[in-house]
Amino acid sequence: EIVLTQSPGTLSLSPGERASLSCRASQSVSSSYLSWYQQKPGQAPRLLIYGASSRASGIPDRFSGSGSGTDFTLTISRLEPEDFAVYYCQQYGSSRTFGQGTKVEIK
Amino acid sequence: EVQLLESGGGLVQPGGSLRLSCAASGFTFSSFAMSWVRQPPGKGLEWVSAIGSSGDSTYYADSVKGRFTISRDNSKNTLYLQMNSLRAEDTAVYYCAKCRGPSCSYFDYWGQGTLVTVSS
Repeated sequence: EIVLTQSPGTLSLSPGERASLSCRASQSVSSSYLSWYQQKPGQAPRLLIYGASSRASGIPDRFSGSGSGTDFTLTISRLEPEDFAVYYCQQYGSSRTFGQGTKVEIK
Repeated sequence: EVQLLESGGGLVQPGGSLRLSCAASGFTFSSFAMSWVRQPPGKGLEWVSAIGSSGDSTYYADSVKGRFTISRDNSKNTLYLQMNSLRAEDTAVYYCAKCRGPSCSYFDYWGQGTLVTVSS
């Protein structure tokens, strides 16, 4: 089973700042099979990025994904108040696994 | 508008059974694979099970294999999860999710979830 490790666990930033979230896989993951989700308290996860770098429908262009192999990054270019949330990466290989999440909190 | 509405959660004793349902609307249900993902209180996400669009292919996480059964009724646009031999560690919010990508590689829409609590 491929294990995804996200870092940092918590990111404390101010609105307007740039956020870079890391997702590292224990084995190589096809870029086609790496996605990112946002979850706010009491809400279901929302798809942000699929195929490592493709934005889902309706997702603002301040969200971008990059990476390949075992290292992937979600970047939020300028944090808006509504972007403070928990972010999960997810892979599909022999099975489907999620990272443990990165919380982006207001500094 | 895609809508996924889960139901059937509740309190059940260890060793008991529960069946979750997910009513889908706003898309051609029979054309898409579907999945269940769970989230223990205060913790992260765990994929549980997936089913192909026609129902003939099913997949399970090792943690639930042999205890949970996923199924669907395309005539009713409904997804199910039969959960048997429930354990305390199965306590979680269970989300129904619509699959996309090759072999259900990601999830583009999620329901609001239903809480399952396994406790005596």
